[in-house]
Amino acid sequence: DAGITQSPRHKVTETGTPVTLRCHQTENHRYMYWYRQDPGHGLRLIHYSYGVKDTDKGEVSDGYSVSRSKTEDFLLTLESATSSQTSVYFCAISEPGTRKDTQYFGPGTRLTVL
Amino acid sequence: DQQVKQNSPSLSVQEGRISILNCDYTNSMFDYFLWYKKYPAEGPTFLISISSIKDKNEDGRFTVFLNKSAKHLSLHIVPSQPGDSAVYFCAARRTGGQNFVFGPGTRLSVLP
Repeated sequence: DAGITQSPRHKVTETGTPVTLRCHQTENHRYMYWYRQDPGHGLRLIHYSYGVKDTDKGEVSDGYSVSRSKTEDFLLTLESATSSQTSVYFCAISEPGTRKDTQYFGPGTRLTVL
Repeated sequence: DQQVKQNSPSLSVQEGRISILNCDYTNSMFDYFLWYKKYPAEGPTFLISISSIKDKNEDGRFTVFLNKSAKHLSLHIVPSQPGDSAVYFCAARRTGGQNFVFGPGTRLSVLP
C-alpha cells in the first residue's frame, strides 16, 4: 500500500470557519491531488500539484485553496466553510512514467459543515 | 456535463455468477482507462487498467474490455464473490494528461 495519510479523518465545523485538511505521503511522488466525493458525482478534482509550490485548479476549485511547501505535504484549505462543502475528501498521489500508471488514494476525510 | 458516465448506480448479482459493470465516455481524446474499487470508509484502490491500443486486459478474475468506436468500456468479474461487494469507479485520462476524470460509480452487491 502506498504511504498516504490524511488528517483529520473526521471533522465537524460551523459555517464560516476556516478548515485545513492535510495530506502526507512517504512515496516521494511528484503529483498530488485533492478530490471530493459526493453521491451521484463520483470523485471530482478540486486542485492538484505537480511539484513543490506548483499547483493548479481542478473541476470544482471555487472556495478552496491549496499549498505545497514540501514534496510530502499537500494542504487543502476552505477559507470560509459552507454547507455545500460537506463531503468526503480524498487525497491521491501519482508519479508519471512509472510502471504502474495510476493514482493511489488516501483513506479520506469526512467533513461536515453545520 | 459528465465526460465519464456509469449509468447503473447499482447492480446485484449472485455469488459465482458474472458481474458486468459498464462505463461510457464522451471525450475522444481519452486514451487510458482505469477501474477503481472502493469499500466504505476507505479510499479507492486501483483494480485494472487498459490503454486505447488494446481492446482487452485481464488480471485474474477481472477483465476490462474497451470498444473505442462506441466509447464504451466494461469490467467483467468472474466468478463474483461476496468480497467484491463495493463501489466501482471508472476513470479516464486524455492523451498527454496526468489528471483522471471519474464516473459517478456503480455499487455492486454480490449475494451469497
